[in-house]
Amino acid sequence: DQQVKQNSPSLSVQEGRISILNCDYTNSMFDYFLWYKKYPAEGPTFLISISSIKDKNEDGRFTVFLNKSAKHLSLHIVPSQPGDSAVYFCAASEGRGGSQGNLIFGKGTKLSVKP
Amino acid sequence: KAGVTQTPRYLIKTRGQQVTLSCSPISGHRSVSWYQQTPGQGLQFLFEYFSETQRNKGNFPGRFSGRQFSNSRSEMNVSTLELGDSALYLCASSLLPGAGYGYTFGSGTRLTVV
Repeated sequence: DQQVKQNSPSLSVQEGRISILNCDYTNSMFDYFLWYKKYPAEGPTFLISISSIKDKNEDGRFTVFLNKSAKHLSLHIVPSQPGDSAVYFCAASEGRGGSQGNLIFGKGTKLSVKP
Repeated sequence: KAGVTQTPRYLIKTRGQQVTLSCSPISGHRSVSWYQQTPGQGLQFLFEYFSETQRNKGNFPGRFSGRQFSNSRSEMNVSTLELGDSALYLCASSLLPGAGYGYTFGSGTRLTVV
């Protein structure tokens, strides 16, 4: 049973517009959430994270929103750039403030940003 | 500074053999985790090591094992290989254990079992 779900396998967005990637989770013990980006033939690269005590975290063009009651988080990329084209993974861990090391990953959403 | 280094990058093994994969973490990082990525199951946690001790283990059979050395380098071993073990094996390191410290991943070892 998947504890972290990314229901959209792919997303296509025009350059300059907003990309919204969604992630749902079922485990109420998850306390820390992360987004990773992965290019082919490379390992995942950390993008941004959020603790359950927050509902929003920003880092440049990337913003993650967390809705604990809905067990839903989203990653917003504004403005989207062609270099953002990659597979994006949502991950979660139990343990307060990310104290647990085992990450549970979603299956990823492939983002294509068209020039 | 150098990133997480995994060797070898590619490996082809025969069913029934065993294999050892190596991971050198970022200098100063003391926690190392291993993940398996397959098209069907996605990224799945194998184990996490800190100070030469296994801190966490995922839901994998005993054929999968690992260890960490005093210099924080880590190896994972898979014995009696099965076709289903074909996957990308990723190693990640962090300063200390826990998702809150962030994990830096290596480029992985692509294992093909024939």
